[in-house]
Amino acid sequence: DAGITQSPRHKVTETGTPVTLRCHQTENHRYMYWYRQDPGHGLRLIHYSYGVKDTDKGEVSDGYSVSRSKTEDFLLTLESATSSQTSVYFCAIAQGAPGGYTFGSGTRLTVV
Amino acid sequence: QQQVKQSPQSLIVQKGGISIINCAYENTAFDYFPWYQQFPGKGPALLIAIRPDVSEKKEGRFTISFNKSAKQFSLHIMDSQPGDSATYFCAASPETSYDKVIFGPGTSLSVIP
Repeated sequence: DAGITQSPRHKVTETGTPVTLRCHQTENHRYMYWYRQDPGHGLRLIHYSYGVKDTDKGEVSDGYSVSRSKTEDFLLTLESATSSQTSVYFCAIAQGAPGGYTFGSGTRLTVV
Repeated sequence: QQQVKQSPQSLIVQKGGISIINCAYENTAFDYFPWYQQFPGKGPALLIAIRPDVSEKKEGRFTISFNKSAKQFSLHIMDSQPGDSATYFCAASPETSYDKVIFGPGTSLSVIP
């Protein structure tokens, strides 16, 4: 997937625990995104980054935080996981025109 | 938040037939309209995209038709094949903004032999 690696691929965690998902890219892209995918909702933007230490909120940012200390890594943290955060999480980078994304393979997160 | 509506939710097409997925948007500031294809267990992949200065764009068996006045666009898959079975997402964004992409809810396409 064009140099984008997400880890872990699958995770089961308990309600109330913190969880961090990692997105790593090897192509020095400026813009990185975290989306969640849920049936009937398509892809919804959680947070995005436009450079090291430059991040902003998306449509569904409540309960999530992000960090980008290096160009290649964009971390998504669920401070205290809830069952409503059970979802598939995708990282993406922007290539070409806005909206022209390359997505990672996703992380399936289950909160029990 | 401006919506992108997509229909149908699911679609079953015979091999060799034409698959048609429709999308509609509200925000007239949108001026870039990509389509994504997603196979199970994979991330979405950019399939084809159109800008509103053209009414149609074709790449192989995939064609986007765009109606600016109606604020609608559609994906046509000609000679549909079982390998086209996937979920398809339309999206819309202002071409000047990297954070305002809105995705439709997706259409699950099954092409049966």
